[in-house]
Amino acid sequence: AQSVTQPDIHITVSEGASLELRCNYSYGATPYLFWYVQSPGQGLQLLLKYFSGDTLVQGIKGFEAEFKRSQSSFNLRKPSVHWSDAAEYFCAVGRAIYNFNKFYFGSGTKLNVKP
Amino acid sequence: ETGVTQTPRHLVMGMTNKKSLKCEQHLGHNAMYWYKQSAKKPLELMFVYSLEERVENNSVPSRFSPECPNSSHLFLHLHTLQPEDSALYLCASSPGGANTEAFFGQGTRLTVV
Repeated sequence: AQSVTQPDIHITVSEGASLELRCNYSYGATPYLFWYVQSPGQGLQLLLKYFSGDTLVQGIKGFEAEFKRSQSSFNLRKPSVHWSDAAEYFCAVGRAIYNFNKFYFGSGTKLNVKP
Repeated sequence: ETGVTQTPRHLVMGMTNKKSLKCEQHLGHNAMYWYKQSAKKPLELMFVYSLEERVENNSVPSRFSPECPNSSHLFLHLHTLQPEDSALYLCASSPGGANTEAFFGQGTRLTVV
């Protein structure tokens, strides 16, 4: 069965500090992996995605993520956090089923940014 | 702006009311989804429509009734809801097939009183 684990519910970092959000997945085949961000009361916005190829993927807003098959991980990183990055971040895995995809989401990590 | 529009953005309804949530996409996507997001819970997939056919129903109570009249529109009809149904309801669409992501709307914040 597919599952996504985000072990950190809340993380607080200082503005300008580096950030790493953890994501582990369970999936039998080659996964499609995603990171989304959600501001309060808003929908989810795609930050980046991994389908195949280079295991280090670049996304919007200066984020990147690295796929590590041996660790079943897809951690999100940013070298220098801005106050506007405060939001909730969701990792997801996608599974192709015939002509549609099913998406499985982690429970999210809420990021606070200290001035 | 992702191209997926949900209306209304906020809805307050009594337990005996009937209301509908609307989702619209003009991205040419084949699949549309309803998710429920409650406080302190992961996103719960409720329904999936692929090419206007319901392909997934995740044990959702019958007081939630989805409708997909065409590939661009998705509705969630609500009746006799309970206070625990209060949540953010998110619609998403996806092109379908491999190597595609979900595009989300802004959500409808539903409060059942």
